[in-house]
This record gives sequence, C-alpha cells and structure tokens, in this order.
Amino acid sequence: GEDVEQSLFLSVREGDSSVINCTYTDSSSTYLYWYKQEPGAGLQLLTYIFSNMDMKQDQRLTVLLNKKDKHLSLRIADTQTGDSAIYFCAETFLLDTGRRALTFGSGTRLQVQP
Amino acid sequence: DTEVTQTPKHLVMGMTNKKSLKCEQHMGHRAMYWYKQKAKKPPELMFVYSYEKLSINESVPSRFSPECPNSSLLNLHLHALQPEDSALYLCASSQVSSGGGSPLHFGNGTRLTVT
Repeated sequence: GEDVEQSLFLSVREGDSSVINCTYTDSSSTYLYWYKQEPGAGLQLLTYIFSNMDMKQDQRLTVLLNKKDKHLSLRIADTQTGDSAIYFCAETFLLDTGRRALTFGSGTRLQVQP
Repeated sequence: DTEVTQTPKHLVMGMTNKKSLKCEQHMGHRAMYWYKQKAKKPPELMFVYSYEKLSINESVPSRFSPECPNSSLLNLHLHALQPEDSALYLCASSQVSSGGGSPLHFGNGTRLTVT
C-alpha cells in the first residue's frame, strides 16, 4: 500500500480541541477515512470525506482536506475523556487487480487529561 | 456495538493445532476482508473477497486459508501457525470492494495467541 503518515501521540486537556494530522501519498484516492480504535476493540468508522471536498463537519468532528498538499486533519471539539483512543486515517489505493483496498496510517494515540 | 460479529474473541492455540476464525455480517455487504493487526501497529490487509470470490491475497502464507461460504460469512482457517502470527485478526465488510465511498465496517476482532 501507499505510505500514510501520522504523528504518534497527542495529549490534550478535557474540553480543549484536538487536531490529528495525516499525510497521504496516493493522489488518486477518492475517499479518505478516519477510524477510532479503543483498547481491545476493532476499528470504528468516525467519518470520511470525498476528495473533491475541502471540509466536512459532523457534530464535534471536523475534517479538513488539502488535496494539493495531500494533508488530512481531524479536529475534535470539546474533547472528552471518552475520546481517548488511537485514531487512524486511511486512504484507498489501486491494486494490480484493478480493485481498491484500504491502507492505514500508523495511528495517533490521543490521551485526554481530565 | 458493531454489526460485524467475530468469534471467538480470544483464541490460544499451539503450533500444531488447526483452528478457524469466523466472521458474520447481515448488512448485505458483498465485500469482506481479513486484516491482521500487531500490537501498536496499523491493520494490514490479508484477504479480500468480492461477491464470494477471492479478489486479493496480499502474499499471505499458506498456513492462513480463507473461505467465504456465502455473502454473510467469512472464515479464516489456521494451521501450523508460528508464534509471530499472534495478533488481532480483524474482519470487515463493505458494500463494494474497498473504496468509492463504501467504508469498511469492522468487527471487534479475534485476539490470537500462538504458543
């Protein structure tokens, strides 16, 4: 898969905003995704954005996409202790078979301090 | 709660054992996936089934054998595994084969330990 990069760790105080950043490489990606993984659990889809959009807002979540720089960010407003988890960005990439698969960034561990 | 159900949640097996992981979804999705996730790492794609046919095999060792009996079920048969195969095995499904606005929905995984 293509390289998707994220910073490894982010610590914020409860009530503050969190911004998790991601850079991707496949310019042909049509959709980009954010997943959340809590300890011992699978991946929960948070939101996704189509590549012709710059921004998408869904309640406390705001996704910003800079296609020119291949930069994706996830902003969580009013961060709560329940938001503590690992956040993965993911992009689709084209395989030799003509199918698309999903590749994940390294994940950002968000720690929310009470 | 996830709409993709995986069993068992935990599995401990010896290197000579044969076991199977199971995955079930009833969302009408026609693509199903197996991912492997090592500790502190992102998930890595193993297999993709599209319309019950194996579409992608990411050069996974033959000791892992997938099976898709119907559009709702996905199995992963395990035989002669190695300790380094210990990981969280995640099943996912989507409406079409990955991409195009059809996000993957994941189960909670099976945590496999090979002794």
